[in-house]
This record gives sequence, structure tokens and C-alpha cells, in this order.
Amino acid sequence: DADVTQTPRNRITKTGKRIMLECSQTKGHDRMYWYRQDPGLGLRLIYYSFDVKDINKGEISDGYSVSRQAQAKFSLSLESAIPNQTALYFCATSDPGLGTEAFFGQGTRLTVV
Amino acid sequence: SQQGEEDPQALSIQEGENATMNCSYKTSINNLQWYRQNSGRGLVHLILIRSNEREKHSGRLRVTLDTSKKSSSLLITASRAADTASYFCATDASGNQFYFGTGTSLTVIP
Repeated sequence: DADVTQTPRNRITKTGKRIMLECSQTKGHDRMYWYRQDPGLGLRLIYYSFDVKDINKGEISDGYSVSRQAQAKFSLSLESAIPNQTALYFCATSDPGLGTEAFFGQGTRLTVV
Repeated sequence: SQQGEEDPQALSIQEGENATMNCSYKTSINNLQWYRQNSGRGLVHLILIRSNEREKHSGRLRVTLDTSKKSSSLLITASRAADTASYFCATDASGNQFYFGTGTSLTVIP
């Protein structure tokens, strides 16, 4: 089983719908992140969490919300999806401290029509 | 934006040749990391270089870091078709967040 699991892997939704992307991890890491990837723009940080009670906005948090239900679970919600939120979304985890690497899920490809 | 930039955006080489890609970033860092992404899949960590290091090797990978120029380079020697992927640099300024560059798409032709 993958260390970082994202569900669903692919999703097509309509404009205005609420959608939740889920992430779970078995690495025991405290830190979890949500990124979106657009062609030519690389990965941009949406939200990050250092523990269950800690949630922080990233570069592009507008239009998104998150919930850290447990150390192992971090979900991303689009309250009212719009077409420019069509992208590839990644969840990642890491240990705290300097010099640690990020471990990524396989991604969720979201299309908003 | 705190994103870095990779250069070139795309690179095509013959198998056996060396591939060099560069990364420029904007802020002071504690370390810089390189990741690889196979088409549409999750990123995989390749190598990390700390701000007080100038060069680091791992197998066929060589990374350099010039903090005065806020730049790094990744060299893949003796490339293979299996090295075809996108490569991203990521900066870690405070141990809190990773900021990724825009990526270099590498194609290795057999």
C-alpha cells in the first residue's frame, strides 16, 4: 500500500458543486500539505498543517478550505468549484525540522466543467 | 510568489549524454531539494543539498548550490531513457514549507 493515499484519483464535477479531496498517510508524519499543479506553473501550495490543531494558508488558498481530522488525514474542500480550479492536486507529508523531504501521493486529477 | 524557476523548461537529449538543468530561487534557504515526476504522477525525492554545502553527489546525480546567486543545478550523467520525466527544485527556507519551481521536462531519446 502507498504511504500517502489520495482519493479520488480522478473526478469530474460541475461548476458550483462542493467537492472534497481526501488524503491519508501511514508514515506517521505530523506535517501535511496540499498542492495544486498547473501546466507551466509547477506546484503551488494551497494549505499546510503541522499538527491536528494547526492549519495554515499557503500561496493560493482562496476558494479552498481544509480539515485535519487526525494526524493521518487531511482533506481539501472546494466549497463551490469553478473551472479555473481544474488542476492536478497533490497531498504531501513530511517530518518536522530542517532537512526533511516531502512524500507525495499519486495525485487527484480534478476537472470542473 | 516564492516559487523558483527552472531552466530550461524542456530538454531533449540522446541516451548516454549528460543533462543539466538549473534552478533559481528568490529567498534565503536552509536547503534545496530536487524531485522527479513521471508523467502525471506524484513527485519523488532525489537529493537534498544544505545551504552550507556547495556540491553533492548521489549515483549519477550531481547537485551544486550557489547561495550568492540563489541558484542550483542538477546534472544527470550518462542519461537513460528511464530518466525521462519532469524535474523540480524545491526550496525550504524555515523547515516549514516547500516551494517548488516550475519544472524542467527532460526527454531522453533511446
